Amino acid sequence: AQRVTQPEKLLSVFKGAPVELKCNYSYSGSPELFWYVQYSRQRLQLLLRHISRESIKGFTADLNKGETSFHLKKPFAQEEDSAMYYCALRSHNQGGKLIFGQGTELSVKP
Amino acid sequence: GAVVSQHPSRVICKSGTSVKIECRSLDFQATTMFWYRQFPKQSLMLMATSNEGSKATYEQGVEKDKFLINHASLTLSTLTVTSAHPEDSSFYICSAPLRGRGANYGYTFGSGTRLTVV
Repeated sequence: AQRVTQPEKLLSVFKGAPVELKCNYSYSGSPELFWYVQYSRQRLQLLLRHISRESIKGFTADLNKGETSFHLKKPFAQEEDSAMYYCALRSHNQGGKLIFGQGTELSVKP
Repeated sequence: GAVVSQHPSRVICKSGTSVKIECRSLDFQATTMFWYRQFPKQSLMLMATSNEGSKATYEQGVEKDKFLINHASLTLSTLTVTSAHPEDSSFYICSAPLRGRGANYGYTFGSGTRLTVV
């Protein structure tokens, strides 16, 4: 079964603290994973995708096939990072639909 | 960049009436459109996939007669909630896959429609 799991519904940290938002997936095949962010009252926007191996706004995520994980990390959280974060898996055999995790609300306190 | 324009942003309707939500792709052709439903601070649940010129594919448990999807052109997909009930109140989001490489690879999302059925 194709599934994305984000175990934490809410993650609250202080400004400057490291952040790790967890994401685990279940997929039979080569996964294609994304992180999307939704700031308050804004539309979903792409944060990063594993194939690019990029760092956006200080966030990075490494695909670990052994642990079937794609955790999102940032060494020093900022208040403007407060948002909903969604991990998503692209399904290759169903029109390319995205399967989303439950989402994690990140709250960065001053 | 590629944008999907979604309208209306919010709508309030009476129970039993129908509501149409439109998603238009700007500056690109959307042969496929995904329709999601999102509850507050929860995940996006895929409802259906529309393809231009063919019937939509609905996810298990989604009533196709209640959520009518039309994708008549390469730039417009619509979702009509028929005979709406209060339990249909939700946030509906459309999304189109972006072909190509680099910055144009991935998906673009509409800004969402907040439907409230009273």
